[in-house]
Order: sequence, then C-alpha cells, then structure tokens
Amino acid sequence: EVQLVESGGGLVPPGRSLRLSCAASGFTFGDYAMHWVRQAPGKGLEWISGISWNSYSIDYADSVKGRFTISRDNAKNSLYLQMNSLRAEDTALYYCARTVTGSYYYMNVWGKGTTVIVSS
Amino acid sequence: QSALTQPASVSGSPGQSITISCTGTSSDVGSYNLVSWYQHHPGHAPKLMIYEGSERPSGVSDRFSGSKSGNTASLTISGLQADDEADYYCCSYVGSSTLVFGGGTKLTVL
Repeated sequence: EVQLVESGGGLVPPGRSLRLSCAASGFTFGDYAMHWVRQAPGKGLEWISGISWNSYSIDYADSVKGRFTISRDNAKNSLYLQMNSLRAEDTALYYCARTVTGSYYYMNVWGKGTTVIVSS
Repeated sequence: QSALTQPASVSGSPGQSITISCTGTSSDVGSYNLVSWYQHHPGHAPKLMIYEGSERPSGVSDRFSGSKSGNTASLTISGLQADDEADYYCCSYVGSSTLVFGGGTKLTVL
C-alpha cells in the first residue's frame, strides 16, 4: 500500500526549532518529487516547499523562506522539513505529499499530517 | 506569491451543476497550463481531482471537469451528490519550482 506518515510535530515556544519527518512506503520514493503543504486552524491549504526527486530543485513559499529547509534521504525513503525561528503563524497541520508520476506540480498521495503548535 | 482567488462558498442542490472559479494573473494561471484541483473533506487528506487544467486522475468521477480561460481556471461538478460537499482548492505553478493554492471554496450541497 502506498503510504506517507508524518511525524515530529508538537508544541514548541516561539523562536525554537522543530524537524518534521515523512516516512514513505509502498513505492519507489526516489522516483518522485515531494512537497510539504500546511493548513493553519480555520484557514486553507498553503504550499510551503517542494523538492525534486534528486534534490537538485528546491523552493519555498515566501512565508517560510530563510527559516525552513526541506531535504530528503532516498536511501531511507524519507522527507524532512527543518523548521527554525518558529512563529505563532506557523501553527498548522503539516502534510507531506507525493507528486504524480513524472510531474513536479500535482500531488496525488498525501499523509494524514502532523500538528505543529507554536506557543509559549 | 499571492494566493489565487476563489469564491469563499458555493452551493447547489443534488443533481445540479456548479462551477468554482480560480483567478490568478498572467504570471501564474495565465502563463502555465499547470492548474490542479483538490477536494478536501475536513479531517481527511486532500484528494487530487483535476490536474493539468482538465485531466482527471484514474478513479475520479467524470462528473468533475476542469477548464481554463485566460487567467481564470474553473472546476465544474455536474450531477451534484451529497458526498461532493467539501472544500475545494485550486493550485497553480507560478515558476521557479513554486506552487500556490487558492484560498479555498466551501461547497454546500443543499
């Protein structure tokens, strides 16, 4: 079964760091681009970062650029999101998502998400 | 990276058709045929419904269709069913490996 499982969320004070992980199974992880998408409470979906299959292409939404770092380890079938200098507005449910075969732009497999709460 | 503009809510009765618009600019929706649509039931993972503007992934009902004109993409759902009630989001490539979502539209089936 194709599956993505996020972990690493939790309650963290403003200004601190957190590292999210996404474990992939049921497919050849290294063949696919991956993304992180978040949803703040009561708000819509927000794309925050994407990474190509070989990590050569990486980009971020302006809202997290310079604070968050996406990475992947194809040998470990894992995607990561290092989040530094966290702010209250980073409070959200964070999803990792796999792209459609051969594409960077469309996400057809999603995890259930991990919740990050930034609060003192 | 401004969010694409969607109506906050739309509604329709079972069996009817509705259309959700997604307005961007000549730098995103207007420049690329790389718009997708996602259905999101609260508490569940989003589901890809349309990609490349008008293509349906396998398993998605043909009641869902997508189109684009200029800087506006649209999602049409025909033969509305109760289970279609959800939030719908458009998403577009905006260049430099960057994507942007619309603000989301809540569909209510009356």
